[in-house]
Amino acid sequence: KNQVEQSPQSLIILERKNCTLQCNYTVSPFSNLRWYKQDTGRGPVSLTIMTFSENTKSNGRYTATLDADTKQSSLHITASQLSDSASYICVVSANDMRFGAGTRLTVKP
Amino acid sequence: NAGVTQTPKFQVLKTGQSMTLQCAQDMNHEYMSWYRQDPGMGLRLIHYSVGAGITDQGEVPNGYNVSRSTTEDFPLRLLSAAPSQTSVYFCASSYSSQAKFSGNTIYFGEGSWLTVV
Repeated sequence: KNQVEQSPQSLIILERKNCTLQCNYTVSPFSNLRWYKQDTGRGPVSLTIMTFSENTKSNGRYTATLDADTKQSSLHITASQLSDSASYICVVSANDMRFGAGTRLTVKP
Repeated sequence: NAGVTQTPKFQVLKTGQSMTLQCAQDMNHEYMSWYRQDPGMGLRLIHYSVGAGITDQGEVPNGYNVSRSTTEDFPLRLLSAAPSQTSVYFCASSYSSQAKFSGNTIYFGEGSWLTVV
């Protein structure tokens, strides 16, 4: 079983709508949690990095939250744009880095 | 500043052939690594390096070889390609060898699509 589970596996939303992606992990001991955006055919690009003591971090229209007690994180995208269509990957670091399989987001006009 | 550069972008190999995926970074990063990305799975670490002359195995090292003769370059060699090595390969780098622990951003290359027939 993967130590980093992301949900949903895929999501379709309309342009200008908000959405929230989930990341649950069992990785321990926890060091930091990262969210990456991966456009089709491209490499992952960092969105946010959060350590144990941080429970929210924003990067423009992207806001990540972290609950280290329940081992859950979410990535909220506000006022989605067509360019937000991509895979979003959650990465949790402990003794090594564990990658989630990603959520495939499609934003339609 | 090109970041992390990978070549080739696409490659088709026959079973048993060998090849090298090239990776170079121009950010003077200490830490470099190779991952493979397969459908429905998270990226998995193949090999990594914390500095010139130092390499170590990751989660899925079998069938791959690496070397780090310079800070800039970290090539990945497939010794005898197998269909199970059909995948997308990503090279990544970070300033600190403690990237997994620290808040240092990890930069990824654009990927190399490898098909073994």
